[in-house]
Amino acid sequence: DIQMTQSPSSLSASVGDRVTITCQASQDSRKYLNWYQQKPGKAPKVLIYDASNLKTGVPSRFSGSGSGTDFTFTISSLQPEDIATYYCQQYNNVPYTFGQGTKLEIK
Amino acid sequence: QVQLQESGPGLVKPSQTLSLSCTVSGGSISSGSYYWSWIRQPAGKGLEWLGRIYSGGGTNYNPSLKSRVTISVDTSKNQFSLRLNSVTAADTAVYYCVRHFYGDYNWGPGTLVTVSS
Repeated sequence: DIQMTQSPSSLSASVGDRVTITCQASQDSRKYLNWYQQKPGKAPKVLIYDASNLKTGVPSRFSGSGSGTDFTFTISSLQPEDIATYYCQQYNNVPYTFGQGTKLEIK
Repeated sequence: QVQLQESGPGLVKPSQTLSLSCTVSGGSISSGSYYWSWIRQPAGKGLEWLGRIYSGGGTNYNPSLKSRVTISVDTSKNQFSLRLNSVTAADTAVYYCVRHFYGDYNWGPGTLVTVSS
């Protein structure tokens, strides 16, 4: 299985801050990585697919980069509605695997 | 736009079989090149992929479930289903059905299944 190590596990930032989350895969995942946003009681929502492609309708302050084993997710200017838990997920190999999640809070 | 909806018992007794269905609307389950997966999330914890079925019928499962899981498709009902045998309290979770093709993912809203006597 490909293990996904996501960090940090929690993050507190101020409105307007730049926020960065990283995900490291234990094996080459090529570009096949999603970044999700999950709010309480809701299903995860894909924000970024194929490591760097912004899903249609998702604000441009969200971005992703990386390939292979090292991936980065960035919110360029944190907004109050971005409070959520964020997950990475590789879909290069089965079983698909997820990072442990990053809980984002407003300072 | 395709929509998915999970259904099934919300309470299952230990050692019994958990059975859930996912009804697909707005598109045919047998068309296209999509995979149909089940993913679960225990309360307050992360996400675990259980397995997938291809529209052509092939399946892949998470080895961590040790052959307890079966996913099947019923094209006449435009549904796919999950069976998880010999459940324990550790199988208590919100279960999601998902349609996907590479990074194109559509999730159902999820259904809570509690394993308890």
